[in-house]
Amino acid sequence: GAVVSQHPSRVICKSGTSVKIECRSLDFQATTMFWYRQFPKQSLMLMATSNEGSKATYEQGVEKDKFLINHASLTLSTLTVTSAHPEDSSFYICSANVPGQGTAYNEQFFGPGTRLTVL
Amino acid sequence: AQKVTQAQTEISVVEKEDVTLDCVYETRDTTYYLFWYKQPPSGELVFLIRRNSFDEQNEISGRYSWNFQKSTSSFNFTITASQVVDSAVYFCAADSGYSTLTFGKGTMLLVSP
Repeated sequence: GAVVSQHPSRVICKSGTSVKIECRSLDFQATTMFWYRQFPKQSLMLMATSNEGSKATYEQGVEKDKFLINHASLTLSTLTVTSAHPEDSSFYICSANVPGQGTAYNEQFFGPGTRLTVL
Repeated sequence: AQKVTQAQTEISVVEKEDVTLDCVYETRDTTYYLFWYKQPPSGELVFLIRRNSFDEQNEISGRYSWNFQKSTSSFNFTITASQVVDSAVYFCAADSGYSTLTFGKGTMLLVSP
């Protein structure tokens, strides 16, 4: 299947700094990528949908100015957590779409996740 | 919008026992997709199965089997002869075809030797 990578896999930063997380589709072009957040022992919650060349669509309750998403190419989307605080500590997972043929389902492949810890 | 309910928060079994993880979904769409994912301690999501709403056939893959019943809006997952390596959090999810997955809260399965 298609491979999605994330970098870094783990990051620890001080409160107030910004952190950038990269999501790459390695062997396919993804017009759409998704960003999820997972707090400890909780489910995955969709944060935003990122389309190449256009502005991301954020889910209700997700601050656009805090979580900046850029999808500049068909293989790369970045999530920047600006002025991170301890409550932003979480597991961030991206996924990328492989467009289906005709009416076939658009398969979604997940990255391995990035664990962010804000001190 | 969909809603996915996994009522079992945590299940503990002893190796070789069979275990069923429940999943109940709610949707107004006639076309939808249901999924199961496994999330081991490493955190990476492992895709297990996708089912579309028009295919109610049960599926078996090795020790794994899935029972999809539209009449009860359920998509249950059974592991036969569980093993320690099956210990993980299992998520059921739904999608109406727009690739925006709605996940259940997950069931943590603990298989002890």
